[in-house]
Amino acid sequence: AQSVAQPEDQVNVAEGNPLTVKCTYSVSGNPYLFWYVQYPNRGLQFLLKYITGDNLVKGSYGFEAEFNKSQTSFHLKKPSALVSDSALYFCAVSLPWGGANNLFFGTGTRLTVIP
Amino acid sequence: DGGITQSPKYLFRKEGQNVTLSCEQNLNHDAMYWYRQDPGQGLRLIYYSQIVNDFQKGDIAEGYSVSREKKESFPLTVTSAQKNPTAFYLCATHREGTEAFFGQGTRLTVV
Repeated sequence: AQSVAQPEDQVNVAEGNPLTVKCTYSVSGNPYLFWYVQYPNRGLQFLLKYITGDNLVKGSYGFEAEFNKSQTSFHLKKPSALVSDSALYFCAVSLPWGGANNLFFGTGTRLTVIP
Repeated sequence: DGGITQSPKYLFRKEGQNVTLSCEQNLNHDAMYWYRQDPGQGLRLIYYSQIVNDFQKGDIAEGYSVSREKKESFPLTVTSAQKNPTAFYLCATHREGTEAFFGQGTRLTVV
């Protein structure tokens, strides 16, 4: 069965410190990987994606993520956290085949940046 | 301006009443999804559709129904059989190899 795991429900970090939000996946084949952010009472907003190529991908608002095939991980990172980064973050994978549901989300990690 | 539009933003339902949530897209994406989100929780898949006139149940389809008569539209009906419908509902579209796009959500409350 395909699955995406975000092992931490909550991550707290001090403003200005680096942050990491973890994501691991268990899927067959070579998935596409995504990170989204959700602010209260809003839809999910796309942050970044890995399709192929360089394992370090850069996205919106200074976020980046590192794809590690051997560890099947795609952790979200930012060198210096801002209070405005506080939100709910979702990791997702999609599989390069159609005909059935091929989009899977993690359970979300709530990031709180402490001033 | 391409995107996905959900309406209404807020919806109130009386006990025993059916209500329909609208989701429209102009991205020309084949796949559309409906998710339910409870406070502080993740997304749970209700229904999805890969093509017009075809849709599949997700993990929590009971008490919900959908239709896909047009590529652009994927409305969700919350029926009276759904005993705990108060939640935030999100519609999304997706095309292989790209990110999913989400609407701004509909907050449904039972009154």
